Amino acid sequence: EPEVTQTPSHQVTQMGQEVILRCVPISNHLYFYWYRQILGQKVEFLVSFYNNEISEKSEIFDDQFSVERPDGSNFTLKIRSTKLEDSAMYFCASQNLPRAFLAFFGQGTRLTVV
Amino acid sequence: AQTVTQSQPEMSVQEAETVTLSCTYDTSESDYYLFWYKQPPSRQMILVIRQEAYKQQNATENRFSVNFQKAAKSFSLKISDSQLGDAAMYFCAYRSTSRDDKIIFGKGTRLHILP
Repeated sequence: EPEVTQTPSHQVTQMGQEVILRCVPISNHLYFYWYRQILGQKVEFLVSFYNNEISEKSEIFDDQFSVERPDGSNFTLKIRSTKLEDSAMYFCASQNLPRAFLAFFGQGTRLTVV
Repeated sequence: AQTVTQSQPEMSVQEAETVTLSCTYDTSESDYYLFWYKQPPSRQMILVIRQEAYKQQNATENRFSVNFQKAAKSFSLKISDSQLGDAAMYFCAYRSTSRDDKIIFGKGTRLHILP
């Protein structure tokens, strides 16, 4: 069964450092998403991406965040200058249609900012 | 704005028994999708069951079933014959079929299975 793959599974970074989280969506999918889950809290939408541009973003997704599909297969989330409060689980999701009945989630990347 | 509410932060059930997790949501839309996701200690998000709002028939997946009450905006999850592997955090979630393209999650219910 096709799956969304995220790397790394766990990343530890120092406050102020840049970090890039990587996702390989399912190959024929066109719509891509990032969600965030701070430990013990609910999963929150960050951004959606289609046709090489952001479709929608939440208020969490400020200027410190950016997304990119650099090579047609990877989908990345960059945090420019990490803060302690960026520590969370980050989930990538993909699907072949907007507002689809089935979104495929990756296994998540746990980001720890120290 | 749409919201999803899970009023039970934690629940426990004896192995082999049945448990029901509650979820209510608020929306002005008539067509939408509802989901239950399971998050085990590995923190992966696993889709358990999904429901299309225009369908009156409740969705079922093996031991998992939902009670979808559209007028009451209620979407509860029933787990029959609970197993130790069912222990996890369960999130109820909503997605619009016509507006913004994000999934809105509730705060979750942590389910403990007692041997």
